[in-house]
Amino acid sequence: DQQVKQNSPSLSVQEGRISILNCDYTNSMFDYFLWYKKYPAEGPTFLISISSIKDKNEDGRFTVFLNKSAKHLSLHIVPSQPGDSAVYFCAARPISNFGNEKLTFGTGTRLTIIP
Amino acid sequence: DTGVSQDPRHKITKRGQNVTFRCDPISEHNRLYWYRQTLGQGPEFLTYFQNEAQLEKSRLLSDRFSAERPKGSFSTLEIQRTEQGDSAMYLCASSLGTGISDTQYFGPGTRLTVL
Repeated sequence: DQQVKQNSPSLSVQEGRISILNCDYTNSMFDYFLWYKKYPAEGPTFLISISSIKDKNEDGRFTVFLNKSAKHLSLHIVPSQPGDSAVYFCAARPISNFGNEKLTFGTGTRLTIIP
Repeated sequence: DTGVSQDPRHKITKRGQNVTFRCDPISEHNRLYWYRQTLGQGPEFLTYFQNEAQLEKSRLLSDRFSAERPKGSFSTLEIQRTEQGDSAMYLCASSLGTGISDTQYFGPGTRLTVL
């Protein structure tokens, strides 16, 4: 049972344009969401997060939007740069509660920025 | 470098052998996590520690797997009698363990190949 889904395995975007990566979840207990970026042969790098009390969080070129009623979140990267080419993972967990801190990850979306 | 470190980065072993991996978390982090990632999938939770106490273990962690964090600092993950299905990237992460926005930071991973 895939509780966190990233339905687009890959995405190609022209340099300078907006990249939009999507993520859906099914578990209503999830209240905290994170995006990680992963280069080959490296561990995931934390990018940005959002809790369910917000619908938007922004950090520089990265913005995460959360639609809790639709159980959907998205990551916007503006403007896209060649260094953004990587695999992006969406992850979720319940609000920190003793014994429930594990992250559930999606399968990832490979983003390619075309110069 | 004050990030999460893992050793070794690569391990090739023959089926039936035992292997041990080490993880050194960020120094002030109380929580330490182990995940496993196979090709085309996101990381999957294996187990986690709060200081030296192992608080949760996934069903993925068979009896052949054991993890320790003896003094609440570094952790080891041992796999006994390795099988080809154990081939994967083993990721370690750590976090402060405080508050709703507790964020896990990952190490570079140990890639295990079982021949």
